[in-house]
Amino acid sequence: AIQLTQSPSSLSASVGDRVTITCRASQGIGSDLVWYQQKPGRAPNLLIYDASSLESGVPSRFSGSGSGTDFTLAITSLQPEDFATYYCQQFNSYPLAFGGGTKVEIK
Amino acid sequence: QVQLVQSGAEVKKPGASVKVSCKASGYTFTRYYMHWVRQAPGQGLEWMGWINPNSGATHYAQKFQGRVTMTRDTSLSTAYMELSSLRSDDTAVFYCARDRPPSRGFGESYYFDYWGQGNLVTVSS
Repeated sequence: AIQLTQSPSSLSASVGDRVTITCRASQGIGSDLVWYQQKPGRAPNLLIYDASSLESGVPSRFSGSGSGTDFTLAITSLQPEDFATYYCQQFNSYPLAFGGGTKVEIK
Repeated sequence: QVQLVQSGAEVKKPGASVKVSCKASGYTFTRYYMHWVRQAPGQGLEWMGWINPNSGATHYAQKFQGRVTMTRDTSLSTAYMELSSLRSDDTAVFYCARDRPPSRGFGESYYFDYWGQGNLVTVSS
């Protein structure tokens, strides 16, 4: 089974900061990776699909990059509504799997 | 608009079963796979499997094989997930999630664009 390791597990940042989160796969998965945002008590929300494509309706300050084993989610100019937990998910092979999450907190 | 509405919270005893429902609206129910994902309190997300609402075919994560059953009722546009032999570590919020329409125009995506609101299932004696 493919394992996804996210880093950091948490970070503190200020409004306006640029934030990057990484997701490393235990084996190559091409571009078969997506990113979600989850706020407390809510279901996850799809941000990025196919590693770098922005989902409709998602602000352009979110971007994704990478392929193979190393992926990055970047948020430019962090907004108050961006404080949440972010998860990567691979869909290259079964079982579909999520990273452990990165909690973005207010500094 | 697309909506997935799940049934309410449940409290079950160890060894019992729970059946959670997910009613879809706003799209053709049979067109997109439905997945189930769970999240233990304060923990990450765990994929359980999918059902093809059109054919009823299923694929379960090996971890849940033998304990999970996913079904659907097309007349009600509703998907169901039943988990048996419940243990305390099955306490979690269970989500249904729709397979996103594929960007390439055919097949399945195996990631999720719409989610239900979640069902908290508490397993406790």
